[in-house]
Amino acid sequence: KNQVEQSPQSLIILEGKNCTLQCNYTVSPFSNLRWYKQDTGRGPVSLTIMTFSENTKSNGRYTATLDADTKQSSLHITASQLSDSASYICVVSARSGGYNKLIFGAGTRLAVHP
Amino acid sequence: DAMVIQNPRYQVTQFGKPVTLSCSQTLNHNVMYWYQQKSSQAPKLLFHYYDKDFNNEADTPDNFQSRRPNTSFCFLDIRSPGLGDAAMYLCATSPGGTTRTDTQYFGPGTRLTVL
Repeated sequence: KNQVEQSPQSLIILEGKNCTLQCNYTVSPFSNLRWYKQDTGRGPVSLTIMTFSENTKSNGRYTATLDADTKQSSLHITASQLSDSASYICVVSARSGGYNKLIFGAGTRLAVHP
Repeated sequence: DAMVIQNPRYQVTQFGKPVTLSCSQTLNHNVMYWYQQKSSQAPKLLFHYYDKDFNNEADTPDNFQSRRPNTSFCFLDIRSPGLGDAAMYLCATSPGGTTRTDTQYFGPGTRLTVL
């Protein structure tokens, strides 16, 4: 069964601190892994995307890693800002016919406090 | 520039009263998706259109229907909303095809309240 598990479920950090979110998956056939940021009441926005041949991808203060052997990914946020408060969702794509079927993790709810 | 547009952003309906949610896109993407997201849960795929081909998820209730009259528009019809259908409904689009990096672009969502 295709599954994506994220940890921790929620996290509170102080502004300016770094944090790392984890994602483990069992998805086949693997197509790509994406981290989305979802603000409360809004649709998800893609932060990074990696295929199996990529093991790191950066987008500003966000850096994602992928270990396709162990089926693990992480999202590292540096120098956190109040606007980073959101849910971060790990999404793994499974190839299905002519499109990528998305398998969503439950998300990590991050709160950045001043 | 808006790429995936959902209307309305907030919808209130009564128990059992049919409701239609709208999604439009300016990306000319082949694939359009509808997701249901309940509070603190991951989005759940209801169905998608690949061009005119409709693909229903096995566990999507019959109460949910969809229409795609043209490339740009896709509608979600809830025939008899129940209290359990209150949720955020997300529309997404993707180019489709064989690329491994086929990306889904999400709209802002419509929050449905059932009274």
